Amino acid sequence: DAKTTQPTSMDCAEGRAANLPCNHSTISGNEYVYWYRQIHSQGPQYIIHGLKNNETNEMASLIITEDRKSSTLILPHATLRDTAVYYCIVRVKGTDFGNEKLTFGTGTRLTIIP
Amino acid sequence: DAGVIQSPRHEVTEMGQEVTLRCKPISGHDYLFWYRQTMMRGLELLIYFNNNVPIDDSGMPEDRFSAKMPNASFSTLKIQPSEPRDSAVYFCASRGRAAGNTIYFGEGSWLTVV
Repeated sequence: DAKTTQPTSMDCAEGRAANLPCNHSTISGNEYVYWYRQIHSQGPQYIIHGLKNNETNEMASLIITEDRKSSTLILPHATLRDTAVYYCIVRVKGTDFGNEKLTFGTGTRLTIIP
Repeated sequence: DAGVIQSPRHEVTEMGQEVTLRCKPISGHDYLFWYRQTMMRGLELLIYFNNNVPIDDSGMPEDRFSAKMPNASFSTLKIQPSEPRDSAVYFCASRGRAAGNTIYFGEGSWLTVV
């Protein structure tokens, strides 16, 4: 799986949009971008994933650049409960691939400021 | 859906004792993963199963660790004998085709070996 680079930490004011960047310059054509987050003392939680089109769900939006070398996770109206470590992961999506590993990096520690 | 269920949530044991961690994946999921998380090493994949068969155990640290999946609804991770350096949070996760290849994590088992 391609390596990702994320800032170590970020702050965001409550109620504002939180924009979390991720670089994945070596991403392959069949690799998806996944985002997970881990709130303290809990298991990682799936947020969103995408291939090349922008995606939106009830939790967040994912913006992927045209060359797919980077992406941004957007939490439109951050709340205190969004304080967590956010992981950007790129991997092949499928059910019959030999490598099913979801490799977590160090992630971005997002702190929402009241 | 109840999600991935792990037990025990917390365990404190003495060095040399056997530790057994249990996991019930989400019903219908055909992949099961065991991860370990420590401050020093972050989230590491230990082993994963597909249709109850171990596929990749390259992340298992040593022979003291073993994992089994006797049926589709139950898996165990055993450490025998346990050592203080095994202290960590152990996460179980599962994935199914219908879930769009999203991996869902349990709340983790917090292990302390003294």
